[in-house]
Amino acid sequence: QVQLVQSGAEVKKPGASVKVSCKASGYTFTGYYIHWVRQAPGHGLEWVGWIFPNNGATTYAQKFQGRVTMTRDTSISTAYMDLGRLKPDDTAVYYCVRDGVSGGAFDIWGQGTMVTVSS
Amino acid sequence: QSVLTQPPSTSGTPGQRVTISCSGSSSNIGSNTVNWYQQLPGKAPKLLIHSNNQRPPGVPDRFSGSKSGTSASLAISGLLSEDEADYYCAAWDDSLNGYVFGTGTKVTVL
Repeated sequence: QVQLVQSGAEVKKPGASVKVSCKASGYTFTGYYIHWVRQAPGHGLEWVGWIFPNNGATTYAQKFQGRVTMTRDTSISTAYMDLGRLKPDDTAVYYCVRDGVSGGAFDIWGQGTMVTVSS
Repeated sequence: QSVLTQPPSTSGTPGQRVTISCSGSSSNIGSNTVNWYQQLPGKAPKLLIHSNNQRPPGVPDRFSGSKSGTSASLAISGLLSEDEADYYCAAWDDSLNGYVFGTGTKVTVL
């Protein structure tokens, strides 16, 4: 079936970087945008950015520009989000999601990856 | 910081109809389609409504969406206990060149 499977939980110190992976299966990986969305504990959803696996094009939310890099490896249908210079308020569940329709209709969600930033 | 405003909470008894509003601006709801997500406790969000009023396969027709100008709304009719969840609206924002989510609304079934 169509699914996105993410890498496991991470604990990082402030100032470090984290790289989260998202493996797609059950559909043509290069045909759909992959977005990253995060949710801090007890808070709402926040969009981080997107990557188009077909050509590697990216767009990042202004808040994360300069700190986030999204890449993909089409040979293994996997997208990656690398977030650097981590701060405690980056502590959140990070989801990769597929834009399945258009205009940001996220129809498939990964299971989420908990990233904890603590000294 | 969310640019789409929703009421923090709403509630209803089983069988009732509840509506959730989502207020935006000309750069987001006013010029792009609205999507709605349901997040059950401890779970990942799920797409509930896309393109203002379209239900993905498997979503009951108790859920309906609408949009007018710079606002949108989600209606849940025949409320069930399983509808107790957080609901988020979302849309692309042309000014921010990014996707924005609403502040979220917690629905409680009394």
